[in-house]
Amino acid sequence: KQEVTQIPAALSVPEGENLVLNCSFTDSAIYNLQWFRQDPGKGLTSLLLIQSSQREQTSGRLNASLDKSSGRSTLYIAASQPGDSATYLCAVSTGRRALTFGSGTRLQVQP
Amino acid sequence: DVKVTQSSRYLVKRTGEKVFLECVQDMDHENMFWYRQDPGLGLRLIYFSYDVKMKEKGDIPEGYSVSREKKERFSLILESASTNQTSMYLCASSAPGGTSSYNEQFFGPGTRLTVL
Repeated sequence: KQEVTQIPAALSVPEGENLVLNCSFTDSAIYNLQWFRQDPGKGLTSLLLIQSSQREQTSGRLNASLDKSSGRSTLYIAASQPGDSATYLCAVSTGRRALTFGSGTRLQVQP
Repeated sequence: DVKVTQSSRYLVKRTGEKVFLECVQDMDHENMFWYRQDPGLGLRLIYFSYDVKMKEKGDIPEGYSVSREKKERFSLILESASTNQTSMYLCASSAPGGTSSYNEQFFGPGTRLTVL
């Protein structure tokens, strides 16, 4: 059974710092990996999708990498801002079936 | 832009009531999903559907049923609501395999259900 782990569970940084969020998964037979953002009490917003054949994806200040063989992904956030404060979730897909989610990293960016 | 909408943001029901949660997507997606999210347990899959009138159980289907009569609409039904079904319910949809955005899931805003 696929298991997804996110470290750290919570992170507090001052504004302007570059930071890395980690995600690991136990079964490397994935179709893709998706990073989401969730604000308190809200739904999930898709940030980046990495297909299994890709090594990384970039969107603005966000960069996600994927090392399928080692079961790891990282989300890099450059020049963090208070508006980046949210919970970040990673999830993996093993086919048509639904995603398996990590428990998330709660990020607080201090002004 | 993909849009997934859910019928209510907040819902309060009483134990034993039959509850309907509705989800509609406007991108002609084949796949639709219902998850629930609880503190400490994360997101867990309840049911999903990969075509009209098709459904498959997820990880926690007990106490729930679903209906998909039209492609754009996927309903979650709590036959007899119980207090342990108090949760945040999230609907999602995705395109079928073979497209450039295979399996990217798009989520609705969520329904916060409280069962008293």
